[in-house]
Amino acid sequence: EVQLVQSGAEVKKPGESLKISCKGSGYSFTSHWIGWVRQMPGKGLEWMGIIYPGDSDTRYSTSFQGQVTISADKSITTAYLQWSSLKASDTAIYYCAKKVSGSYWLDVWGQGTTVTVSS
Amino acid sequence: QSALTQPASVSGSPGQSITISCSGTSSDVGDFKYVSWYQQHPGKAPKLMIYDVSDRPSGVSNRFSGSKSGNTASLTISGLQAEDEADYYCSSYTSSSTLVVFGGGTKLTVL
Repeated sequence: EVQLVQSGAEVKKPGESLKISCKGSGYSFTSHWIGWVRQMPGKGLEWMGIIYPGDSDTRYSTSFQGQVTISADKSITTAYLQWSSLKASDTAIYYCAKKVSGSYWLDVWGQGTTVTVSS
Repeated sequence: QSALTQPASVSGSPGQSITISCSGTSSDVGDFKYVSWYQQHPGKAPKLMIYDVSDRPSGVSNRFSGSKSGNTASLTISGLQAEDEADYYCSSYTSSSTLVVFGGGTKLTVL
């Protein structure tokens, strides 16, 4: 079964750093792009960026460029989303999703990681 | 501001049909066949409903259909059922470096 399993909920203070993960299984991890999507409380889906684990080619939405870092470790089939200094406005659910080869739809989604940033 | 424009809400009665529009540009929806639609129920992860404009994944009801005309894509749900009440998001390939853009989402209410 193809699965993306994300790390658990996080509660952090403003200014702290954070790295959340997304572990892929059941498919060739290095051959499929993995995207990250933000959903702020009560709001819609926002595209953050995408990484190709095979060569770590990474693309960012202009809204998130410089705000987060997307990475992947193909040896453990895991993608990451990290922040160096969290803000309260980073409070959201973050989803990872696998992009199908040869097209641009996201066929498998992680369960989401809730990040709460509060003093 | 989302890259793709969707109505904030639509509604319909059980058994009726509704259509959700998704307006883009020639840099995304208009010039490419890579439009997809996702359904999201409260507290759940999004689920793929339509891909490549009009194709349905295995297991998705044939009451869901997609189309495109010019820079606007559409999702039609026929024979509305209570379980269809959810948020719906369109997405498209974009020729910009980000590869993918989403619409702002449409809340479907089944009356």
